[in-house]
Amino acid sequence: EPEVTQTPSHQVTQMGQEVILRCVPISNHLYFYWYRQILGQKVEFLVSFYNNEISEKSEIFDDQFSVERPDGSNFTLKIRSTKLEDSAMYFCASSETGQVEFFGPGTRLTVL
Amino acid sequence: TQLLEQSPQFLSIQEGENLTVYCNSSSVFSSLQWYRQEPGEGPVLLVTVVTGGEVKKLKRLTFQFGDARKDSSLHITAAQPGDTGLYLCGPGKLIFGQGTTLQVKP
Repeated sequence: EPEVTQTPSHQVTQMGQEVILRCVPISNHLYFYWYRQILGQKVEFLVSFYNNEISEKSEIFDDQFSVERPDGSNFTLKIRSTKLEDSAMYFCASSETGQVEFFGPGTRLTVL
Repeated sequence: TQLLEQSPQFLSIQEGENLTVYCNSSSVFSSLQWYRQEPGEGPVLLVTVVTGGEVKKLKRLTFQFGDARKDSSLHITAAQPGDTGLYLCGPGKLIFGQGTTLQVKP
């Protein structure tokens, strides 16, 4: 069964460092998303991506965040200068239809 | 801003019991999704409801979309320990409820 994959599963970084979280969406999907979930809190939408551009983004997705689909298969989330409050699970998701269907297993980001 | 309220926040029951959890909003939704999330994993889509009054069944899980498409419920019959998890509802990609944490004890 096709699935969304994410790497790494856990990333530890120092405050102020840049991190890149990687996702491989399901191959025939056209819509891609990033979400985050701070421990014990709700899943929060960050950004959606369609047709090689951002289609929607939330207030959380400020200038320190960027997304890219560098090679037609990977979908990355870059956080330029991490802050302590960026510590969270980051989930990638992909969809054929525009409804969020398949989530990846997540990357746990810990900022020290 | 659309707001979603899920209730109850926490539910702990014995295996074999029935339960209902709710997802309510003041906004009308064109569709609503229900997900289950286990600790350390991503949410898994269970169902999408689209039509007001719609009822969908997934084995022991029954999902209902309110007539006005502002609310939904999930009923689980004869809960099993494998049903344990966080149940999330959401109208699409932008928002999710805070979820109902269900614990089913053997």
